[in-house]
Amino acid sequence: EVQLVESGGGLVQPKGSLKLSCAASGFDFNSYGMSWVRQAPGKGLDLVADISSKSYNYATYYADSVKDRFTISRDDSQSMVYLQMDNLKTEDTALYYCTVATTVAPVAYWGQGTLVTVSS
Amino acid sequence: ETVMTQSPTSMSTSIGERVTLNCKASQSVGINVDWYQQTPGQSPKLLIYGASNRHTGVPDRFTGSGFGRDFTLTISNVEAEDLAVYYCLQYGSIPWTFGGGTKLELK
Repeated sequence: EVQLVESGGGLVQPKGSLKLSCAASGFDFNSYGMSWVRQAPGKGLDLVADISSKSYNYATYYADSVKDRFTISRDDSQSMVYLQMDNLKTEDTALYYCTVATTVAPVAYWGQGTLVTVSS
Repeated sequence: ETVMTQSPTSMSTSIGERVTLNCKASQSVGINVDWYQQTPGQSPKLLIYGASNRHTGVPDRFTGSGFGRDFTLTISNVEAEDLAVYYCLQYGSIPWTFGGGTKLELK
């Protein structure tokens, strides 16, 4: 069974930093791309960042709204994916989901999410 | 970027009815559209991939169709557990983009 468990969320002041972690299990982590998708309170879904597998040279993608502030990374030896978030803004407040691709869908399975609140 | 417009934004239904949810892309995305269901307080779950293929364990009352710019998700014989928000996602062009969602409520 695919399991994705996020951690690291919390309350942070504007311009602060936070690092989210996602522990993955139940599938061949090395083979699939991983993504972070966020959902602001009462709002829809937005892709934040994506990292491909080693086969695709760990290529990354960032939404324009987080480019140069967020960094996605992965540790295949630990089956972990991370999201380093710097210079946080109030508009980054959201539930952040870790997701994994499969051979047929780029966003197939979702974790339960970790809440990030940016407020002074 | 490709904008995905879902309609209606909300709809009311009765148990046992058939409903159709729509998703329109601002440019052609082929069959690269997936559908997700998000029930209250839960994370989204993949229902349909590649426009028309049911994900593992998804009941056959959920049917996806479409190609190019226009996509639909049909739920036949709506059950109480189907009351949720439904999102489409296109991955035919980068960046992948979600629609704004359709909330399915009980009449």
